[in-house]
Amino acid sequence: GENVEQHPSTLSVQEGDSAVIKCTYSDSASNYFPWYKQELGKGPQLIIDIRSNVGEKKDQRIAVTLNKTAKHFSLHITETQPEDSAVYFCAAKGTNAGKSTFGDGTTLTVKP
Amino acid sequence: NAGVTQTPKFQVLKTGQSMTLQCAQDMNHEYMSWYRQDPGMGLRLIHYSVGAGITDQGEVPNGYNVSRSTTEDFPLRLLSAAPSQTSVYFCASSYRGAGYEQYFGPGTRLTVT
Repeated sequence: GENVEQHPSTLSVQEGDSAVIKCTYSDSASNYFPWYKQELGKGPQLIIDIRSNVGEKKDQRIAVTLNKTAKHFSLHITETQPEDSAVYFCAAKGTNAGKSTFGDGTTLTVKP
Repeated sequence: NAGVTQTPKFQVLKTGQSMTLQCAQDMNHEYMSWYRQDPGMGLRLIHYSVGAGITDQGEVPNGYNVSRSTTEDFPLRLLSAAPSQTSVYFCASSYRGAGYEQYFGPGTRLTVT
């Protein structure tokens, strides 16, 4: 089955700096790559996603890049703010629409 | 819309007891999933459903049962609780029209003693 690896597990940055989180996947048939943000005590919430026919997608301070050949995708957050502090998960979905595999999560801390 | 709702929010069970975690969504989503979240291990898929009457196993199905008699509801049953099932459980729903974005419930924190 699909295997998703996420790095780093923890990331601490100063407010205003950029943060980058990387994921690799194993199944070349995977075609949908979402990123979720989880705040303390809540369920994960989608922040950005990318499909296999696109190389990069941006939404204000957040961007995701996908390298299908290398089977990796990354989340980039620019001008970080304290409210960006949370756990971030990457995921990959293949041809089975009901099934997604998640990475182990990255705890991002933004220091004021 | 209430989105995805889960009950209860917290539960303590003794080893060997059984219980059902409830999940409901009011968005008419065809796909629903159950995940467990343990420290440092991300979200692991327990069972999922692609429509009413259709369920399948995920990565960690042992000790859990599901059924999907309606589009709205997807209960998760623990048959005989074990301490290893202490975890936070999340239910999620999605549909093709939204590009498979998953909407998560608020979670159920389960402790088995």
